[in-house]
Amino acid sequence: GENVEQHPSTLSVQEGDSAVIKCTYSDSASNYFPWYKQELGKRPQLIIDIRSNVGEKKDQRIAVTLNKTAKHFSLHITETQPEDSAVYFCAASKGNTGNQFYFGTGTSLTVIP
Amino acid sequence: GAVVSQHPSWVICKSGTSVKIECRSLDFQATTMFWYRQFPKQSLMLMATSNEGSKATYEQGVEKDKFLINHASLTLSTLTVTSAHPEDSSFYICSASAPGLESSYEQYFGPGTRLTVT
Repeated sequence: GENVEQHPSTLSVQEGDSAVIKCTYSDSASNYFPWYKQELGKRPQLIIDIRSNVGEKKDQRIAVTLNKTAKHFSLHITETQPEDSAVYFCAASKGNTGNQFYFGTGTSLTVIP
Repeated sequence: GAVVSQHPSWVICKSGTSVKIECRSLDFQATTMFWYRQFPKQSLMLMATSNEGSKATYEQGVEKDKFLINHASLTLSTLTVTSAHPEDSSFYICSASAPGLESSYEQYFGPGTRLTVT
């Protein structure tokens, strides 16, 4: 089955700095990679996703890059704000409806004002 | 659009009893629903995948006789934790996916159910 690793487990940055979270996956058939933000006791919220036919995707302060050859993908948050503080999870899936998501172990991001 | 609800949002039960959690897709038909368990400060662990009208597929290590899943309609899946024990205390989250939505690869998550077994 798929194995998704995520690093770092905790990350502290000063407000305004950038944050980078990295994930690797094992199954070369995976082709959909979403990133979620989860606040304590709440549901995960999709913040950005990328499909394997694209190398990079950007949405305002958030970007995701994908290296299919190396089987890794990264989340980049620029100009961090205190409200970005949360736990972030990456996931990998074979795409299409009904395919399972396998989540990384999570990164607790703290943005220091 | 693509809203998923769960009920109850939290439940406390005594050891040995069973508890049922409902997951509903409110504005779309979910061909597939997923159940996850999340322990404190840990990741979401997929428990099982259910397709409407068929038996659920359980992940390795998940006891199918303990965690009963029913997906009787395109808008409702239920998870019943039978003979619950304190180690079953966790945050249970469902998600749903469906073809025809803007992003058919995406899963839409419910708000989760906090189960505490005393």
